[in-house]
Amino acid sequence: GDSVTQMEGPVTLSEEAFLTINCTYTATGYPSLFWYVQYPGEGLQLLLKATKADDKGSNKGFEATYRKETTSFHLEKGSVQVSDSAVYFCALNKQGDKLIFGTGTRLQVFP
Amino acid sequence: EPEVTQTPSHQVTQMGQEVILRCVPISNHLYFYWYRQILGQKVEFLVSFYNNEISEKSEIFDDQFSVERPDGSNFTLKIRSTKLEDSAMYFCASSPDLLPGNTIYFGEGSWLTVV
Repeated sequence: GDSVTQMEGPVTLSEEAFLTINCTYTATGYPSLFWYVQYPGEGLQLLLKATKADDKGSNKGFEATYRKETTSFHLEKGSVQVSDSAVYFCALNKQGDKLIFGTGTRLQVFP
Repeated sequence: EPEVTQTPSHQVTQMGQEVILRCVPISNHLYFYWYRQILGQKVEFLVSFYNNEISEKSEIFDDQFSVERPDGSNFTLKIRSTKLEDSAMYFCASSPDLLPGNTIYFGEGSWLTVV
């Protein structure tokens, strides 16, 4: 079945460091890909998304490019802030239906 | 901005008791979901609901679980006889359609602790 694999966390960075969180997927057909973020004590919020190959999703300085050839959707940010500390979930769906999530990657940013 | 609201935010219940988790999806949305997240684990799909019936359910969603949209605004998840392993954060979600790339909006979750 369809699945999402994320890098293990936690990822620990100093403020202003470059962030990459790896995400790869297995799916038949043409899934849409998403990054959701969960800040401490809060629910899941959509961070960014891409619906077809080579699309780039971006929001709040975060970016991810839908790479069909490598079945990847890695999350990047050029300069992280303490306020970016959260758990990041990569997810996919097809035809807009249920989301299939990865295990989540905790990011901790220190001043 | 419209949001999905869930109540209660936290509930503690004894094993074997019935629990009802409530959700108010975004008002013009047609598709409704429940997910759960056991502490430290991935977010797992439980059930999707459309046009007053279940459209898909996972293996987790056994006979102990049921969903209902009793009055056109609320969307509830009932666990008939809770087990310790039902302790988790339960997220309600909704979306307006099933178009590719649509956004599924999540509530802040209901944390259920079974003791």
